[in-house]
Amino acid sequence: RKEVEQDPGPFNVPEGATVAFNCTYSNSASQSFFWYRQDCRKEPKLLMSVYSSGNEDGRFTAQLNRASQYISLLIRDSKLSDSATYLCVVSVTNAGKSTFGDGTTLTVKP
Amino acid sequence: DAGVTQSPTHLIKTRGQQVTLRCSPKSGHDTVSWYQQALGQGPQFIFQYYEEEERQRGNFPDRFSGHQFPNYSSELNVNALLLGDSALYLCASSEWTGGVMRTEAFFGQGTRLTVV
Repeated sequence: RKEVEQDPGPFNVPEGATVAFNCTYSNSASQSFFWYRQDCRKEPKLLMSVYSSGNEDGRFTAQLNRASQYISLLIRDSKLSDSATYLCVVSVTNAGKSTFGDGTTLTVKP
Repeated sequence: DAGVTQSPTHLIKTRGQQVTLRCSPKSGHDTVSWYQQALGQGPQFIFQYYEEEERQRGNFPDRFSGHQFPNYSSELNVNALLLGDSALYLCASSEWTGGVMRTEAFFGQGTRLTVV
């Protein structure tokens, strides 16, 4: 079993749709959580950190459930430019490494 | 601010050869991490350097080695290349202070290595 698991998709949605991604992690000592976005053949870029209380950044909402060991990303009012692969990242603070999921691919269509 | 820069951007090597990839961290960052990303997969952690020492290592063989210089730049060396080493190699820099990551990791554009 992988340390961080994501539904690979692909998710194909129309513009304006709401889409949600989930990610589960196995290391209960994990302390830091992030969502990264990666466009085709480009480097990953930080989308947002995920805090225990949940956090929102415009159309994006991230939530963390420590008891069930999963994090989620909700995208509202999808845009064509949201098409990308979304990577869930988990880090054990002080461990010095981050563990990535394999990503969920989103395609937003007109 | 130039961000994280990696060189070269593309590289083709033959099985059995050795390769060195380079990374300059974002200004103000003191920690460099290396990742291998195969097609269709997420980045896999290779190792992390801080204060010129390897601090953490992922599940990669000893053929993968690295170095960090006093100016925080870093090199990744891979010996005895295998076809399976073909991947995008990503460098990420961050700032760790007191054992806590103070800034999120920023990635370079990567080096795409092809082993033939």
